[in-house]
Amino acid sequence: GAVVSQHPSWVICKSGTSVKIECRSLDFQATTMFWYRQFPKQSLMLMATSNEGSKATYEQGVEKDKFLINHASLTLSTLTVTSAHPEDSSFYICSAPIGGGAIAEAFFGQGTRLTVV
Amino acid sequence: AQSVAQPEDQVNVAEGNPLTVKCTYSVSGNPYLFWYVQYPNRGLQFLLKYITGDNLVKGSYGFEAEFNKSQTSFHLKKPSALVSDSALYFCAVRDSGNTPLVFGKGTRLSVIA
Repeated sequence: GAVVSQHPSWVICKSGTSVKIECRSLDFQATTMFWYRQFPKQSLMLMATSNEGSKATYEQGVEKDKFLINHASLTLSTLTVTSAHPEDSSFYICSAPIGGGAIAEAFFGQGTRLTVV
Repeated sequence: AQSVAQPEDQVNVAEGNPLTVKCTYSVSGNPYLFWYVQYPNRGLQFLLKYITGDNLVKGSYGFEAEFNKSQTSFHLKKPSALVSDSALYFCAVRDSGNTPLVFGKGTRLSVIA
């Protein structure tokens, strides 16, 4: 079946540094990638939608200069958390739909646990 | 606007008993409904979806869900729970296009041996 590979699965970084999270579609072309953030015991909050070859669309309240999204190819989308701070600590998950339209299933990466110290 | 409600934060079930995880939805058009399961520190895994047709949808790991249009519900069920079913379950909906899924807040299922 379709696989979305997300890396790293966990990362600890110092405050002020930047962290890059990668999501790769392994056996399909992901023209769209959704990036979510999940706080403990809460649901997934959509951060942004990236489309291959164009600028990402950010949800209201998400700082695009802080959360840089790049979707340079049909198999790779990256999220870079710039100048990370402890409040950015969270679980980040990417998701790509297979097929088109409303019936498309979404396949998720394994998630990245980011801890900023 | 689309929305999903999962009224229970936690559901506890004894192993071997039937389980139900509740979900209600609100959409402006036709609903496309999904259930996902999440294990600790993992991404979400697809269980099943309702698109059209038979109101009872069968999915992975013995789970099924019943679509009820009049009650705008899509409850997840399993006839006999396993301890390994213990996880966080999310209901999700979209009503059109290649839009992102809208998720409920999740229900934590604990199956007790």
